[in-house]
Amino acid sequence: RKEVEQDPGPFNVPEGATVAFNCTYSNSASQSFFWYRQDCRKEPKLLMSVYSSGNEDGRFTAQLNRASQYISLLIRDSKLSDSATYLCVVILGNTGKLIFGQGTTLQVKP
Amino acid sequence: DTEVTQTPKHLVMGMTNKKSLKCEQHMGHRAMYWYKQKAKKPPELMFVYSYEKLSINESVPSRFSPECPNSSLLNLHLHALQPEDSALYLCASSHTTPGQGSSPLHFGNGTRLTVT
Repeated sequence: RKEVEQDPGPFNVPEGATVAFNCTYSNSASQSFFWYRQDCRKEPKLLMSVYSSGNEDGRFTAQLNRASQYISLLIRDSKLSDSATYLCVVILGNTGKLIFGQGTTLQVKP
Repeated sequence: DTEVTQTPKHLVMGMTNKKSLKCEQHMGHRAMYWYKQKAKKPPELMFVYSYEKLSINESVPSRFSPECPNSSLLNLHLHALQPEDSALYLCASSHTTPGQGSSPLHFGNGTRLTVT
């Protein structure tokens, strides 16, 4: 089983739709969690950190469920510019090792 | 604009060439990283420098040789590469070092390397 798992998609949604991605992790020592966005042939960019209480940044909401060991990203009112690959990243508390998920591809269509 | 700067953006080299990739950050970050990324895959960790010392080498072949001249600079020296080494090479930095905290990585634009 992979340490961090994401549904690779692609998720094809119309503009204005709400879409949610999940990411599961297997190591209970996981300490910190992030969502990154990567556009085609570009570097990953930090989208948001994920906090235990959940956090929101505009149209984006991130949630953490430690009991079930998953994090989620919700995008409301999707824009064409949201089309990208979304990478889930987990940092293990014991080693500080940073682990990437495989990424979920989102295509927002007009 | 990224605060981690990488040069060159693109590099084509033959299997007998020697070249270097360069990375610079002026955020005062204590850790710097080299990642390799192939198409449709997540970044794979190669090396980590913590406080200018090599702290992690993910069993990378010796044809890749990292160097950290000072806290702001990170180089990756390339020699006798293979075509399968063609990839996007990403430099990153973080405020805390692995094991000392959990600050996120900030990536540079990357160098797209093609080995012919």
